[in-house]
Amino acid sequence: EPEVTQTPSHQVTQMGQEVILRCVPISNHLYFYWYRQILGQKVEFLVSFYNNEISEKSEIFDDQFSVERPDGSNFTLKIRSTKLEDSAMYFCASYYAPKRQIEETQYFGPGTRLLVL
Amino acid sequence: SQQGEEDPQALSIQEGENATMNCSYKTSINNLQWYRQNSGRGLVHLILIRSNEREKHSGRLRVTLDTSKKSSSLLITASRAADTASYFCATARMDSSYKLIFGSGTRLLVRP
Repeated sequence: EPEVTQTPSHQVTQMGQEVILRCVPISNHLYFYWYRQILGQKVEFLVSFYNNEISEKSEIFDDQFSVERPDGSNFTLKIRSTKLEDSAMYFCASYYAPKRQIEETQYFGPGTRLLVL
Repeated sequence: SQQGEEDPQALSIQEGENATMNCSYKTSINNLQWYRQNSGRGLVHLILIRSNEREKHSGRLRVTLDTSKKSSSLLITASRAADTASYFCATARMDSSYKLIFGSGTRLLVRP
């Protein structure tokens, strides 16, 4: 069964460093998302991406964040200068909706646990 | 409360018993989905119910949706120790890039 994959599974970085989290969505999916979950808290939406551009972003997704789909298969989240409060589990998700069929499920990757020291 | 709030926050039951978790939300939705998360792990999709549906079954799972009360419930019948996890409801609206808004979750412990 197709699945969303994410790398790395864990990342430890120093405050102020740049990190890139990688995701490979399911191949025929059209909508891509990043969510994050701070330890013990709910899953929060960060950004949605469709047709090679951001379709919506949350207040969390400030200028320090960017997303890219560089080669038609990978979907990346970059944090330019990490802060302590960026420590969280980051989930990638994808969804197939050629005619905006809203019945379709969003499939989540296993997550990348980011720790900023 | 925020969109998608579950109750109870924590639930402890004996293996074989049924577990019921509730979710409330505030705005109109297109569908509501339930996910399971084992401790520190990824999100596993359990079931999706559309706004025009009232009840849906999948194996030992039964989901109901009451759009007039803006609430949903997830029932797990004949629970097993392996059902121990956190359960989240998430709502989706087509007019908002179909992003999912998650609740704060119910932590279920099934005692063997």
